[in-house]
Amino acid sequence: GENVEQHPSTLSVQEGDSAVIKCTYSDSASNYFPWYKQELGKRPQLIIDIRSNVGEKKDQRIAVTLNKTAKHFSLHITETQPEDSAVYFCAPNRATDSWGKLQFGAGTQVVVTP
Amino acid sequence: NAGVTQTPKFQVLKTGQSMTLQCAQDMNHEYMSWYRQDPGMGLRLIHYSVGAGITDQGEVPNGYNVSRSTTEDFPLRLLSAAPSQTSVYFCASRPVSGHLGNEQFFGPGTRLTVL
Repeated sequence: GENVEQHPSTLSVQEGDSAVIKCTYSDSASNYFPWYKQELGKRPQLIIDIRSNVGEKKDQRIAVTLNKTAKHFSLHITETQPEDSAVYFCAPNRATDSWGKLQFGAGTQVVVTP
Repeated sequence: NAGVTQTPKFQVLKTGQSMTLQCAQDMNHEYMSWYRQDPGMGLRLIHYSVGAGITDQGEVPNGYNVSRSTTEDFPLRLLSAAPSQTSVYFCASRPVSGHLGNEQFFGPGTRLTVL
C-alpha cells in the first residue's frame, strides 16, 4: 500500500508570508495528487489537485507542484491570510484503480498570525 | 443535492453498547468510506466500499462492521463500544467509474464519546 509522509507537521507563518507543505509517497503508480483543507470543527474539503501528466497547477494564492521522479508533491500558499489557518492533508492515489484505498497523510497544522 | 449526510452529529455511549452511525449520499457515487479522526491526528481509514455488496477493510477495521446494500447508504456499526473508539467519524464518497482523479466529498462528521 501507499506510504505517505507530510512535512512539516506544524507550520507557523506571519500574515503575508508564504507557506510550503511537502508530501512524499511510495507508490510509483500513483497518478492523482490532491490537497484537502480542514478548518477547525469542519469537514475536510478539496482545495487543489494535480494529475501525473502536469508539473504545476495554480489557483489564485495556492499552487501544487509535482516531482514524479522524486515521488513528492508540494502545496504552496502565497500571501497567507488568517483564513488559511487550518490542517492540510495530502492523499496521493491511483485514481484509475477502482479498488484503490484513499489514505491521507498525517496532516500539517498551519497557523497564520496577524 | 444534499451531498453526504451523517447522523447523529453527536453520540455518547457506555462501554459495551452497540450502535450504528448512518451515512447517505445522493450523488450516485460508487465509492464510499469511513474514517476516524482522533484529536490532533490525521484521517485513518476504517472500511470502504466500491459498490453495493462490496466492502473491504482499511487501516483500523477492528471493532467495526459495515455493509452496503444500496448505492446511497453505508452504515458503520460499532459492535461493543470501547473508550478507544472515542473519536470523530467522517463518511466520504467519490465517483469511480471512468474518471481520472476524483474529488472525495466528506460528510459533516459524527462526534462519538464512549464512557
